[in-house]
Amino acid sequence: QQQVKQSPQSLIVQKGGISIINCAYENTAFDYFPWYQQFPGKGPALLIAIRPDVSEKKEGRFTISFNKSAKQFSLHIMDSQPGDSATYFCAASPYPGAQKLVFGQGTRLTINP
Amino acid sequence: EPEVTQTPSHQVTQMGQEVILRCVPISNHLYFYWYRQILGQKVEFLVSFYNNEISEKSEIFDDQFSVERPDGSNFTLKIRSTKLEDSAMYFCASSGYKENYGYTFGSGTRLTVV
Repeated sequence: QQQVKQSPQSLIVQKGGISIINCAYENTAFDYFPWYQQFPGKGPALLIAIRPDVSEKKEGRFTISFNKSAKQFSLHIMDSQPGDSATYFCAASPYPGAQKLVFGQGTRLTINP
Repeated sequence: EPEVTQTPSHQVTQMGQEVILRCVPISNHLYFYWYRQILGQKVEFLVSFYNNEISEKSEIFDDQFSVERPDGSNFTLKIRSTKLEDSAMYFCASSGYKENYGYTFGSGTRLTVV
C-alpha cells in the first residue's frame, strides 16, 4: 500500500507556539521521509528529512520524530512564526534521492501574530 | 543555490490541443520527474526518467502523456490532447543519486484547459 496519511488538514497556531503535523504509512519498504513546505504559487521546497535508522532529527526550529514500530512520523515547528504559514506535506520514498515520492494530503498551517 | 526552472509559468489551452511543458533540471542531476497537483489537493507522481528512458510511471500517465529529454539540458512533458481534468499545476523535479542529494522541485506550470 503506497499511501501516506497526513493530519490535520488545517492547523492554526499562535505565534511562539508549537505546530505539530502527523503522518502515518503502511508500506514498510519506505525508506526516506522528507517534509516539504509549499507557499502559494510555488513548488514544494525540502524542509527536513529523516531515515528510519534514527528516531529524531532536528534542524533549527524544525524537528522530525520517527516511530518505526508505529509507522508514524511527525513534524514539530518550535516557536512558530507568521512566516511559517504555508502548506506542509510529508512524503515517503522507497529509496532516498532516486525514486518517486508519495505525498500526504497536506496541512495548511496558519500562524496568528 | 541550484534551481529547477520551468516554463511557462501559466499556460491556457483549449480542450483537445497539445501542450508541451518545459523544464531545465539541475545540471548534474541524473533523475528527472514530473508531478501534478490539482488545486487544493496533494502532489501526485506522474513519471520518472533516468538514462534517457522512463523508469517508472503512475496510472495517471496514460498514452496522452509523453516525456522527452531532447538535448542535454531540457526535459519536457507533452500532453497530446488535453482534457478539462488535466487542469493542474505541473511540477518538474530532479535529483541526484545519493541520500538527500537535492530532490528539488521547480515552481511549476499552471495549466488551464478551457
